[in-house]
Amino acid sequence: EVQLLESGGGLVQPGGSLRLSCAASGFTFSSYAMSWVRQAPGKGPEWVSAVLRSGGGNTYYADSVKGRFTISRDNSKNTLYLQMNSLRAEDTAVYYCAKDQCGGGTCYFDYWGHGTLVTVSS
Amino acid sequence: SHELTQPPSVSVSPGQTASITCSGDKLGDKSACWYQQKPGQSPVLVIYQDNKRPSGIPERFSGSNSGNTATLTISGTQAMDEADYYCQAWDSTTYYVFGTGTKVTVL
Repeated sequence: EVQLLESGGGLVQPGGSLRLSCAASGFTFSSYAMSWVRQAPGKGPEWVSAVLRSGGGNTYYADSVKGRFTISRDNSKNTLYLQMNSLRAEDTAVYYCAKDQCGGGTCYFDYWGHGTLVTVSS
Repeated sequence: SHELTQPPSVSVSPGQTASITCSGDKLGDKSACWYQQKPGQSPVLVIYQDNKRPSGIPERFSGSNSGNTATLTISGTQAMDEADYYCQAWDSTTYYVFGTGTKVTVL
């Protein structure tokens, strides 16, 4: 059974930093790209960032977080990370870890974690 | 445009058919998928690659995609299908784009 367990959320002041983690199990973690998707209160999901199987420089970001957030992965620990710096009030959301599934010229998320809440407020 | 537009709400009687549209520029040239999200829960994939159902998703969920519109159809809608539904598309430029979301109410 695929499990994605996020942690690291909490309350942070504007301009602060936070690091999210996602522990994966139930599949071969190193064989799949992974993403972070967030959902602000009462809003729809918004893709934040993705990292390919090998990690390293193979990372992609939404314009809204580019230059502030950094995605990474440790395949030896089956763990995905999101380092969030210079946080703003508009970054307040539930952050989900999601397993990417790509094929047939498209990609989608076949599994999602339960999410971790990040609140940016003074 | 990279926006995917959905109707804010759809109401359906139990046992009837609910259709949810997702509109975007040349969406039919891409593949669309659909997620169901119930209150307080994570999204669940219900349709991928326009019309494929993941294991465990009931046959009453179906999808289509042509022109500028993708459609999720729920046949014989049940009370348990009451939820928010989001479409999503992908391309190599914008990566993942989600629709605006539709609240399905089963009256």
